[in-house]
Formats: sequence, C-alpha cells, structure tokens
Amino acid sequence: DAKTTQPNSMESNEEEPVHLPCNHSTISGTDYIHWYRQLPSQGPEYVIHGLTSNVNNRMASLAIAEDRKSSTLILHRATLRDAAVYYCILRPSGSARQLTFGSGTQLTVLP
Amino acid sequence: ETGVTQSPTHLIKTRGQQVTLRCSSQSGHNTVSWYQQALGQGPQFIFQYYREEENGRGNFPPRFSGLQFPNYSSELNVNALELDDSALYLCASSFWGSSGYTFGSGTRLTVV
Repeated sequence: DAKTTQPNSMESNEEEPVHLPCNHSTISGTDYIHWYRQLPSQGPEYVIHGLTSNVNNRMASLAIAEDRKSSTLILHRATLRDAAVYYCILRPSGSARQLTFGSGTQLTVLP
Repeated sequence: ETGVTQSPTHLIKTRGQQVTLRCSSQSGHNTVSWYQQALGQGPQFIFQYYREEENGRGNFPPRFSGLQFPNYSSELNVNALELDDSALYLCASSFWGSSGYTFGSGTRLTVV
C-alpha cells in the first residue's frame, strides 16, 4: 500500500480553522484518500474521503492537490470536541481491503 | 440505526490463557474487520470476514482466529496469550465494497 506522511502533532485555538496536511507522493491513480479520527477512548470515526476533487461534508472539507501527492483536511471552526488523532489513509477504489493506519496527527485544541 | 457494539469493554487475562472477544455489526453491514491497537500507535489490521469466511489477514500468527456468524456478528479468539497481546481490540463493520467503516469503541485487553 502507498504510504502517507503526517505531522506527529498540531495545535489549534478553539473557533479557528485547522488545516491538517498529509503527503502521499506514491499515490496511485485508483487510490482514494480517506480520513478517520480517533477521539480519546473511542474507536476511529470516518471523517471524509475523496479521489480528485475537493469534498465537503458536515464534519470537514478535504482539499486535494492537483497532482494528488498531498491533501489537507480542513476543520472550519475547531472545537474542544475535535481534539483527536487524525489519520490519513489511502485505499484502492472498489476495494474491500483493510484500512492501513499510520501514526496519525494528534490535534490539540486550546480554549 | 445501531452502531458497532463490542463486549466486554475491559478484560484481564493471564499469560497462556485464551480469550474470546465479541462484536455486533452495524445494521445492514455484512463485513467485519478486527484491528489491534497498541498504546500510542495506530490500529493494525488482524483479519476481515465476509460471508462467514476470512478474506484478508494481516501479519498476525494463527493463534489469532475469528468467526463470523449468519447475523454478521463476529468473534475474535486469541490462544496462548502473550504479554504483548495487551492492547485495544477494535471491531469495524462495513457493507462489502463500500467506502466507510464503522468502528466500535473496542475491548481493552490486559495480559498479566
């Protein structure tokens, strides 16, 4: 599976936007970019996914670079409840294959 | 719509013993996966079940085994427990071929 690289940790102030980067320079044409987050004492939670175009949902936005070698998860207004580990994962299109988690980014939201 | 439920939430076992962890899939989901998450690390894939058969396995020894039942619930069995098996065990369900997984909150296993 293609590898992703994320910063170990990031901080944000409450009510401000957060941009969480992910590099995936070896991404293949059929790989979808998935984001999950894991709140303390919980299992991972699906956030968003996309292939080429930017995506928006009620939780976040996903901005994908034109060459697809990087992407950014955007939380528009961070709240204390958004403090979690965020994982960027590549998954082949149409695949029932498993999710391959890296170490993720620990997001701290400061009041 | 119910989510994924796992039982028990916490468990303490002695080295060498056997353990069974249980998972009820989200309604409408027919695929179940199990993950092991050591402290401070991301989850690692153990195996996946679809139509009651294992159809994918990670780098885990045979003493890790599982079952999926006709109602799509699942069990994870670990034999001959080792201290390094202490971890959070996560169950995730999905509909075959769909994009997203729904995870349970996990079972925290401690081996002493």
